[in-house]
Amino acid sequence: EVQLLESGGGLVQPGGSLRLSCAGSGFTFSSYAMAWVRQAPGKGLEWVSTISGNGGSRYYADSVKGRFTISRDNSKNTLYLQMNSLRADDTAVYYCAKDLHYDSSGYYYEGCFDYWGQGNLVTVSS
Amino acid sequence: EIVMTQSPATLSVSPGERATLSCRASQSVSTKLAWYRQKPGQAPRLLIYGASTRATGIPARFGGSGSGTEFTLTISSLQSEDFAVYYCQQYYNWPPLTFGGGTKVEIK
Repeated sequence: EVQLLESGGGLVQPGGSLRLSCAGSGFTFSSYAMAWVRQAPGKGLEWVSTISGNGGSRYYADSVKGRFTISRDNSKNTLYLQMNSLRADDTAVYYCAKDLHYDSSGYYYEGCFDYWGQGNLVTVSS
Repeated sequence: EIVMTQSPATLSVSPGERATLSCRASQSVSTKLAWYRQKPGQAPRLLIYGASTRATGIPARFGGSGSGTEFTLTISSLQSEDFAVYYCQQYYNWPPLTFGGGTKVEIK
């Protein structure tokens, strides 16, 4: 059974930093791209970042580029999102998500997501 | 950036009735279109990918159609668990990956 277990959310002051983690199990972690998608309170879904299975390719939304860093440790089956210079409009539930497509080389990805974590609330407020 | 527009914003339907949701892309996304259902307090769940392929475990009452810029999600007979918010998402030309604003399906 595929599971994505997130941790690391919480309350942080504007300008502060936070790191989210997402532990994957039940699938060959390194063979799938992973992503972060967020949802501000009462709002829709916003893609944040994607990393390829082998970690060689990373993509960011303009709203977080230069402030957030996505990474992964395939030996630990864990995805990370380092968030720096946080702003009030970063307040959201952050979901990690697994890409639909399997690629043993960890290079190819699709961009839609068949499994999602439970979500982790990040609140940026003084 | 490809802008995804969903309509209507809210759809009122009785249980057992048919629901038809629309999604329009600002430019062609071929068939690289996914649909998700999100129940209150839960993570989204993938329903449809490739515009018309049901994801694993998704019942046959969910059907997707369309290509290019116009897409439709049809739920043939609404069950209680289907009263939720539905999002479309394009993955044809990215970054960025983009979602529609959502359609809330509520009980009539």
